[in-house]
Order: sequence, then structure tokens, then C-alpha cells
Amino acid sequence: EPEVTQTPSHQVTQMGQEVILRCVPISNHLYFYWYRQILGQKVEFLVSFYNNEISEKSEIFDDQFSVERPDGSNFTLKIRSTKLEDSAMYFCASSGTATGELFFGEGSRLTVL
Amino acid sequence: AQKVTQAQTEISVVEKEDVTLDCVYETRDTTYYLFWYKQPPSGELVFLIRRNSFDEQNEISGRYSWNFQKSTSSFNFTITASQVVDSAVYFCALSEAVGSGNTPLVFGKGTRLSVIA
Repeated sequence: EPEVTQTPSHQVTQMGQEVILRCVPISNHLYFYWYRQILGQKVEFLVSFYNNEISEKSEIFDDQFSVERPDGSNFTLKIRSTKLEDSAMYFCASSGTATGELFFGEGSRLTVL
Repeated sequence: AQKVTQAQTEISVVEKEDVTLDCVYETRDTTYYLFWYKQPPSGELVFLIRRNSFDEQNEISGRYSWNFQKSTSSFNFTITASQVVDSAVYFCALSEAVGSGNTPLVFGKGTRLSVIA
């Protein structure tokens, strides 16, 4: 069964460092998303991406964040200068249609020290 | 504005008991979608169901069933004859239809279900 894959599964970084989280969405999907979940809290929307551009972003997605689809398969989330409060599980998701269900990856746990 | 409330933070049941997880939502839109996701201890988010606002039929899938009541803005989830493998955090989520797409999913805070053998 096709699935969304994310790497790395866990990354530890020092505050101020740049981090890139990678995602391979389901191959025929066109809509891509990043969500995050701070430990023990609810899942929060960061950004959605369609047709090679951001379609929507939340207040959390400030200038420190960026997304890119560098090739036909990868979808990346970059955090330029990590802060302690960026520590969270980051989930990538993809969907085949604008109104369809989101399929999530297993998440990338980011720990900022 | 969209809002999803899962009032039950944690529920603990003994195996084989039935359990209902509550979800109440708020939306001003007439066209919207409701979802349930399961997050097992391993951490991934597993899609369980998607329901659109025009379809109030209840759905049953094996031991899982969902009760959608527009009159009370609720979309409750029942697990029949619970099993230890059902132990997870369950999230209810909502998105509204906007043009040809949807607003991003808004999640509730989740209900942690523990099924004890």
C-alpha cells in the first residue's frame, strides 16, 4: 500500500542551526502539507502546498520556515534558525484531491537543545 | 471559525468493553468534512474515516462505528468489544469546503484511550 515516508525519524540539533525535514508523498498525490505536534498536544497545521506554491499557511509558519519541492518526489520543510520551541513531531501529509483525506507520514521528531 | 472539541482527555476501559469517544465541532460553513485519526504509541497518524456534511448516515466498519448528528454538531466514534491494540490517541478533525478545495484540517486535542487486558 502506498505511503508517505519521512526522514529523518529523529533529529537532534542545537538552537540556531538549520534543519531540513524531508518527505516523499504518495506518488500520484498533488496536495502536500506539513503539520506539527508538540509533545502531548494537538496536531497543528503549518502549511499546504499545491502546484509548486504555498496555498495556505498558519501563523506558526513564519519567516523561519520554508517549503520546497525540489524534484518530482521530495517535499521538504526547512527551519532556518531553530528555536527551543520548535521541538516537536513534524508530520508530512499528502492528498490526491483538494477535498480528500490526508495520508500522514510517520513523523520526524525534532529536538532542539 | 472552526473548532473541534474532544472533552474526554483520557479514557480507560477493560478489554471487550464498548467505548465511545466524543467529538463536537463548530463551523459556520454548510459544507465541511469530518475526520477521525488514530495515533498509536508508535506516533504515526492513521486515517480512519472521512464524512461530509451532507451525509448523515452512520457508518460501521468492523468494530468501529461513527454517529454523525448535525443537530448537535457531533461526530462520535464507538469501538465495540475493545482490544488492547485499540490503545491510542484518537483525534477528531474538521475542514471546511472553500471554493474547489478545503481549509486545512483543524484537530481536536485528542482522547487517549487505554484498553486494559
